[in-house]
Amino acid sequence: GAVVSQHPSRVICKSGTSVKIECRSLDFQATTMFWYRQFPKQSLMLMATSNEGSKATYEQGVEKDKFLINHASLTLSTLTVTSAHPEDSSFYICSARTSGAGETQYFGPGTRLLVL
Amino acid sequence: AQKITQTQPGMFVQEKEAVTLDCTYDTSDQSYGLFWYKQPSSGEMIFLIYQGSYDEQNATEGRYSLNFQKARKSANLVISASQLGDSAMYFCAMREGLQGAQKLVFGQGTRLTINP
Repeated sequence: GAVVSQHPSRVICKSGTSVKIECRSLDFQATTMFWYRQFPKQSLMLMATSNEGSKATYEQGVEKDKFLINHASLTLSTLTVTSAHPEDSSFYICSARTSGAGETQYFGPGTRLLVL
Repeated sequence: AQKITQTQPGMFVQEKEAVTLDCTYDTSDQSYGLFWYKQPSSGEMIFLIYQGSYDEQNATEGRYSLNFQKARKSANLVISASQLGDSAMYFCAMREGLQGAQKLVFGQGTRLTINP
């Protein structure tokens, strides 16, 4: 299957700092990438849809000024958690959608964010 | 209303036995796709199997098969000859429609434990 990478895999930061998470599709081009958030023992919740060359589409209740998304190329999307607080601590996972017949979403390995 | 329902929070199965994980869905679209993902303790989401709403035959991928019953709106995952490495969280997801971002909606997941 297609490969999606995420960096960093784990980050610990102080409250008030900003954290950038990168999501890359390694062997295919992805015009659309998705950012999810997962709290412990819960399901994945879609935060936003990232479209190459245009503004991201945020789900209801997700603060777009808090979670900045940039999709500058067909293989890279970034999520920046601005002024992070302890309640932002979570597991963030990106996915990239392949195109054409049999398209599916492939997920990155995820980033564990801990805000102290 | 829940679009994807997984009624089994946890399942315990003996190694080598077959196991069925339940998933029901709710949609008014004629075109949709159903997915199953495996999430081990490491957190990565591993794509297992896909079923399109117009596919007449049940999808199969190795030991995984999808029991698709369209009239009942169910898409159960069947794992044959279970192995210890199958222990993980399993998520059923649905993608609706042909147009737009086609985001995935996930169920709450089922934690599968394979006993030796």
